[in-house]
Amino acid sequence: QITLKESGPTLVKPTQTLTLTCTYSGFLLSTSAVGVGWIRQPPGEALEWLALIYGNDDKRYSPSLKSRLTITKDTSKNHVVLTMTNMDPVDTATYYCAHRHVGGETYFDYWGQGTLVTVSS
Amino acid sequence: DIQMTQSPSTLSAFVGDRVTITCRASQNIHSYLAWYQQKPGTAPKLLIYRASSLESGVPSRFSGSGSGTEFTLTISRLQPDDFATYYCQQFETYSFTFGPGTKVEIK
Repeated sequence: QITLKESGPTLVKPTQTLTLTCTYSGFLLSTSAVGVGWIRQPPGEALEWLALIYGNDDKRYSPSLKSRLTITKDTSKNHVVLTMTNMDPVDTATYYCAHRHVGGETYFDYWGQGTLVTVSS
Repeated sequence: DIQMTQSPSTLSAFVGDRVTITCRASQNIHSYLAWYQQKPGTAPKLLIYRASSLESGVPSRFSGSGSGTEFTLTISRLQPDDFATYYCQQFETYSFTFGPGTKVEIK
């Protein structure tokens, strides 16, 4: 059974760096066919894809946020970590991690519950 | 970047209605499109992938069609559990864009 769960701070100050951890189970993040992505959703707004890491450590980032994002994995802990620098109030959102469908196509078939991050001084 | 649009943004319907939501891509994405359902306070749920393939466990009243730049999600007979927001997502390129969403409300 595949599960994912996000963890991290609920409140960050403007200009700070956000670090979120996705703890996953039920699959091995060890081949190029497997991946974990991060998606966010500001309150009342649409979903926005942020980043994706494959089991072979290949990484993809949203072009609009690429300069601020870093995605890494620690397979010994079953963790995928997203860092976002220079946080701003507009980055207030629920942040989800999700399992990429195994194979050659990137859609997300299992999602974490999400974690709300508020950016405020 | 590929831009995704959805119409309508909000849809009011009765239980039992047939409902159709349209998603358009700014360029050809072949059949690389997924549909998700999201209820308030919960994570999105995958309904359809590759434009028309039904995810395991999803009721057969949901169906998807289209290719290229225009796609539709159809709910054949709307059920009370189907009132939610629906998002499309393209995966043709390495920028996995979501549409702005369509909220299906009770009429």
